[in-house]
Amino acid sequence: GAGVSQSPSNKVTEKGKDVELRCDPISGHTALYWYRQSLGQGLEFLIYFQGNSAPDKSGLPSDRFSAERTGGSVSTLTIQRTQQEDSAVYLCASSRSQGIRHPEGYTFGSGTRLTVV
Amino acid sequence: RKEVEQDPGPFNVPEGATVAFNCTYSNSASQSFFWYRQDCRKEPKLLMSVYSSGNEDGRFTAQLNRASQYISLLIRDSKLSDSATYLCVVNPGTGGFKTIFGAGTRLFVKA
Repeated sequence: GAGVSQSPSNKVTEKGKDVELRCDPISGHTALYWYRQSLGQGLEFLIYFQGNSAPDKSGLPSDRFSAERTGGSVSTLTIQRTQQEDSAVYLCASSRSQGIRHPEGYTFGSGTRLTVV
Repeated sequence: RKEVEQDPGPFNVPEGATVAFNCTYSNSASQSFFWYRQDCRKEPKLLMSVYSSGNEDGRFTAQLNRASQYISLLIRDSKLSDSATYLCVVNPGTGGFKTIFGAGTRLFVKA
């Protein structure tokens, strides 16, 4: 597609359930980021994928969070045993190679709004 | 020190005013710089890139000061529609370091 696609757009889940969030980046983009944003707050880095390199997981808040990127394209962020503090908008962004200066920057998906009740 | 720092604001300005935001970064090896705009409950969108020579796009001017490690965004003749949060973004380029997004500066333009 022309843009970064995220699904679902909204997810309401019960505390303790697992959720999977999906990101389909722009074709050919090798860099992919996951961020989360709580209401009224800035972007919180979660994880970064660059090509076939090992992902930078330094932003994952706990071991309940994991992410994978299959075939260098689609990425899935999984949150196990969700807690109320996990409620936020989860944003995915992609870009061409990190190492090349590119005026178009990063393109964000419209996010998944997760509500844990 | 945070890797990218911005004044959170909010900046409250009347229509027609000129307003400027600064953003400082800590990694002197950073290579690419951007300003993003985020409207309420929307995803961030690229506003403009920041080049060493500075660049201008209509009412918006972005500048880079490598010696002092900051970038700036100037908005002239502010419009109501400029009300948003402006995010400073710094890309280290190489070395495996990740792009850093600032927490944003909130701008409210009033009639």
